[in-house]
Amino acid sequence: SQQGEEDPQALSIQEGENATMNCSYKTSINNLQWYRQNSGRGLVHLILIRSNEREKHSGRLRVTLDTSKKSSSLLITASRAADTASYFCATDPGNQFYFGTGTSLTVIP
Amino acid sequence: DAGVIQSPRHEVTEMGQEVTLRCKPISGHDYPFWYRQTMMRGLELLIYFNNNVPIDDSGMPEDRFSAKMPNASFSTLKIQPSEPRDSAVYFCASSLQGVKAFFGQGTRLTVV
Repeated sequence: SQQGEEDPQALSIQEGENATMNCSYKTSINNLQWYRQNSGRGLVHLILIRSNEREKHSGRLRVTLDTSKKSSSLLITASRAADTASYFCATDPGNQFYFGTGTSLTVIP
Repeated sequence: DAGVIQSPRHEVTEMGQEVTLRCKPISGHDYPFWYRQTMMRGLELLIYFNNNVPIDDSGMPEDRFSAKMPNASFSTLKIQPSEPRDSAVYFCASSLQGVKAFFGQGTRLTVV
C-alpha cells in the first residue's frame, strides 16, 4: 500500500489548545499535502508543502516536513470547536494522491 | 465554480444489481480520480484519468468494477454485480495538472 499513516488516530483537546498530528509516508514525493474532512463531507485541501521546504504556515496552521524521515506534522494553534474533523495527509509521487489513515480531532468547547 | 458534482448522494441496492455512480469534475481539470472510503481500509485510490484516458486502474478491486470517462465533463464508476462488501462512500475528485485535489460530496453506497 502507498498510503501513509497519521498519528494519533484520535485526538481530543479543549478549545484554545494546540493540536498536533503526525504523518509518516513510504513513497518519494513531489509535495506533501494536508486535507480536512468534516463528517459526511468530501475532503478539503488545507495546505501544501513542497519536498524542498521544511516548514510552512497558513493562518493557524503550521506544517513541517522531514523528507529524510519521510514524516510531516500538522499543528493547529488556538483550536476552535469548528476545527473538529478528520485530518489526512496526502502524498503525490506522480500526479495521483495517496491519503493516510487520518486523525480524528475533537475540540471540546 | 460549482465544484465536483457527484450523483446520487445515496444509493441503496440489492446484492447482484448493477450500480452506476456519476461524476462531473471541475471544468478544465485534467485529472479526475475515483476513491473509495471505508472504516477498515481508509481512503483508497481506485482509478484516475488524464485527459479522459485511464492512467492507473490498479486500485480497482475486481473486474466487477469499471470506470469510464466519455468526455472531459463526465465520468462513471460502475459495479456489476454489486456485493455487500462494496458498501462504502465513493468519492470523485479532480485536479488541475496534479497539484491539489478537489473532492465531491461523495456517494454513500449500501448494498443489502
